[in-house]
Amino acid sequence: SQTIHQWPATLVQPVGSPLSLECTVEGTSNPNLYWYRQAAGRGLQLLFYSVGIGQISSEVPQNLSASRPQDRQFILSSKKLLLSDSGFYLCAANRDWTQYFGPGTRLTVL
Amino acid sequence: DAKTTQPTSMDCAEGRAANLPCNHSTISGNEYVYWYRQIHSQGPQYIIHGLKNNETNEMASLIITEDRKSSTLILPHATLRDTAVYYCIVRVANNNDMRFGAGTRLTVKP
Repeated sequence: SQTIHQWPATLVQPVGSPLSLECTVEGTSNPNLYWYRQAAGRGLQLLFYSVGIGQISSEVPQNLSASRPQDRQFILSSKKLLLSDSGFYLCAANRDWTQYFGPGTRLTVL
Repeated sequence: DAKTTQPTSMDCAEGRAANLPCNHSTISGNEYVYWYRQIHSQGPQYIIHGLKNNETNEMASLIITEDRKSSTLILPHATLRDTAVYYCIVRVANNNDMRFGAGTRLTVKP
């Protein structure tokens, strides 16, 4: 079965600091991978998706970037965090066109 | 993808069936109905999906009306652990974006 790992679980960062969130997937090969953000009390917003190594599609203009250095590794980054980057970041992977989500990383930018 | 409409909140007594409705009157012929739930501070959990036939798995049943304009997710014997926000999503199978709306906040009460 497929398992999605995300770390860290929680993170508090100052404005202007860099960010790196990691997602790894077990139990599947060549998955589509996704980064979503959920602001407090809101729905999920798709940020990036990847259909293969080095292939990244961005859904919204923002202060973040994504990379996929390995088949089952997806990284979300920022060079300088903004207050508005606070939120719950979720990684997802597909299996048979159904998306399954990881446990999430709660980011607070102060 | 078609838009969905769900009640903002619902209550259910523990041990009783929870019936969560979803309207999707503009659904297209190739769009599936997906249900997820999100327990507080966790990633969304896939529950079930269907195209036009009713579906059942170990978690829930999905009843889709014949005209496919609405559906109902049924949790047959709700427990306190089923308290969560339930999302109904309509999408084409290979669409990379899961458009989560506000969902229905289900509270199971003892």
